[in-house]
Amino acid sequence: DQQVKQNSPSLSVQEGRISILNCDYTNSMFDYFLWYKKYPAEGPTFLISISSIKDKNEDGRFTVFLNKSAKHLSLHIVPSQPGDSAVYFCAASLLSGNTPLVFGKGTRLSVIA
Amino acid sequence: KAGVTQTPRYLIKTRGQQVTLSCSPISGHRSVSWYQQTPGQGLQFLFEYFSETQRNKGNFPGRFSGRQFSNSRSEMNVSTLELGDSALYLCASSPLEGPTDTQYFGPGTRLTVL
Repeated sequence: DQQVKQNSPSLSVQEGRISILNCDYTNSMFDYFLWYKKYPAEGPTFLISISSIKDKNEDGRFTVFLNKSAKHLSLHIVPSQPGDSAVYFCAASLLSGNTPLVFGKGTRLSVIA
Repeated sequence: KAGVTQTPRYLIKTRGQQVTLSCSPISGHRSVSWYQQTPGQGLQFLFEYFSETQRNKGNFPGRFSGRQFSNSRSEMNVSTLELGDSALYLCASSPLEGPTDTQYFGPGTRLTVL
């Protein structure tokens, strides 16, 4: 049973426009969410996180929105740049206790110049 | 600070063999987690070690095992390799006690089983 779902395997966006990557989760106990970015031949790098006490967290061009009632989060990248082309992974966990991160399968973002 | 390093970067084995992968975490990090990445399944959690103790384990068969040394370096071992074990194996280290803290990933070891 997949607890974290990224239903879009790929997304293409024009440079300068907004990229919206979506993630759904099934476990209502999750209260901490992260996004990671991965380039080929490199390990994932942390991008941004949000805890369930917030519904929005912003860091430069990246904003994560959390809708707890819908068990849905999204990552917005504005404006999108060609260097943002990568695979984006959504992950979820519990803030309390030592529970491992549960990752989605990833969404490949292509930003076209 | 040096990042997480993993050796070897690439490995080719045949079915039935065993393999050992190594991970050196960022200096001062005590938590090390291992993940398997395959095209269809994304990143799947294997296990996590903290202070030489396995603290969490994912849903993988007993052929997958690991350990952590006193200097926080970690190894994972896969015995009796199967074709389906072909994957990118990623190691991540974390500065605090919980794996939910920001994890810093190494570049991975690409294992191919023929």
